[in-house]
Amino acid sequence: ETGVTQTPRHLVMGMTNKKSLKCEQHLGHNAMYWYKQSAKKPLELMFVYSLEERVENNSVPSRFSPECPNSSHLFLHLHTLQPEDSALYLCASSQDGGFEQYFGPGTRLTVT
Amino acid sequence: QQQVKQSPQSLIVQKGGISIINCAYENTAFDYFPWYQQFPGKGPALLIAIRPDVSEKKEGRFTISFNKSAKQFSLHIMDSQPGDSATYFCAASKTSGTYKYIFGTGTRLKVLA
Repeated sequence: ETGVTQTPRHLVMGMTNKKSLKCEQHLGHNAMYWYKQSAKKPLELMFVYSLEERVENNSVPSRFSPECPNSSHLFLHLHTLQPEDSALYLCASSQDGGFEQYFGPGTRLTVT
Repeated sequence: QQQVKQSPQSLIVQKGGISIINCAYENTAFDYFPWYQQFPGKGPALLIAIRPDVSEKKEGRFTISFNKSAKQFSLHIMDSQPGDSATYFCAASKTSGTYKYIFGTGTRLKVLA
């Protein structure tokens, strides 16, 4: 395992639900990332947190709301999602100033 | 300017053969080029990476070739094994500031036994 865990691994939610994805890294890193992986598309960077501050928001719809309470934990709060939001959501971490990003196994999200 | 173009989309290779995956980038400010390997049900894992100050980097059966003038880089898997069957992603990043990868679309490799 990479030292980055994600829960839940699978999530099915209706368009009116509110749910949260959780990511935890055990590597002592200080930067964390959310990516969206859809079939036949490049991994899309959604949010970047460095030293617990959001430093990047790639025009992500407001129905996705990230939270980084400390350098080890990252959440993605979901509400009123659309079917096209169904994808694999990946969390990654790195040491700011280091090149390598370590990915978690992802949460497979299905919006019905 | 921000795209990384990856080819082929899928690749089938016989066991023991050479697998070659190509990527091209546009932004000359990129100076870090990793390759990631992803198995079904897993997140991408860093396989090998290169900086533009060298033209080739080898780790075991995996080699990155880098052509700075053409803005292209490729992954060669020598003596391909069925266990190498996975999806491979190239990426490019700048090493200043927070490292934001731009990923290619991925290549699904299948190595036949």
